[in-house]
Amino acid sequence: GAGVSQSPSNKVTEKGKDVELRCDPISGHTALYWYRQSLGQGLEFLIYFQGNSAPDKSGLPSDRFSAERTGGSVSTLTIQRTQQEDSAVYLCASSFGVSGNTIYFGEGSWLTVV
Amino acid sequence: KQEVTQIPAALSVPEGENLVLNCSFTDSAIYNLQWFRQDPGKGLTSLLLIQSSQREQTSGRLNASLDKSSGRSTLYIAASQPGDSATYLCAVGDTGRRALTFGSGTRLQVQP
Repeated sequence: GAGVSQSPSNKVTEKGKDVELRCDPISGHTALYWYRQSLGQGLEFLIYFQGNSAPDKSGLPSDRFSAERTGGSVSTLTIQRTQQEDSAVYLCASSFGVSGNTIYFGEGSWLTVV
Repeated sequence: KQEVTQIPAALSVPEGENLVLNCSFTDSAIYNLQWFRQDPGKGLTSLLLIQSSQREQTSGRLNASLDKSSGRSTLYIAASQPGDSATYLCAVGDTGRRALTFGSGTRLQVQP
């Protein structure tokens, strides 16, 4: 596609439910990132994928969070047993390679846990 | 651990003014620095990318400089317009870490 595509754009879920957020990166981009942006806060790194290498999961806040990337393309971020503090915008980004390349962001998935 | 600070947090200027947004980072071992723009309710749009070996980059009315040794970058916006109103984010790519570290942003409002 022309840009990074994320779905759903908005999600309201009840506390305790699981949610899945999807990211479709720009075609040919080998690097994919997930960030979280809470209201009025900066961007918080969650996880990074590069090609077939093991992902960098160092930013995941708890074991309720997981992500996978299938076939080196589409990625799914899963949050289990959602809590109210999980409410945020989840932003996906992709780039061609790692160092020195522009990173392109999607519009984000707005998650509200009630 | 890399920390990125942006000053000021918010800025309101009349249309036509030239303005400077500041970004500082604590660890100078970076491979690049990017400036992004974020409109309300939207994702981020990359404005300028400066490699660690470069001193500045220009795009239209925007000019970004990088002083790696002092851990600072500035984004200069010439002849500001109401359409420039947005939040501007600075992000650094560390040599030891793959992901970007972001500042909290400067919220800019340009009054017509």
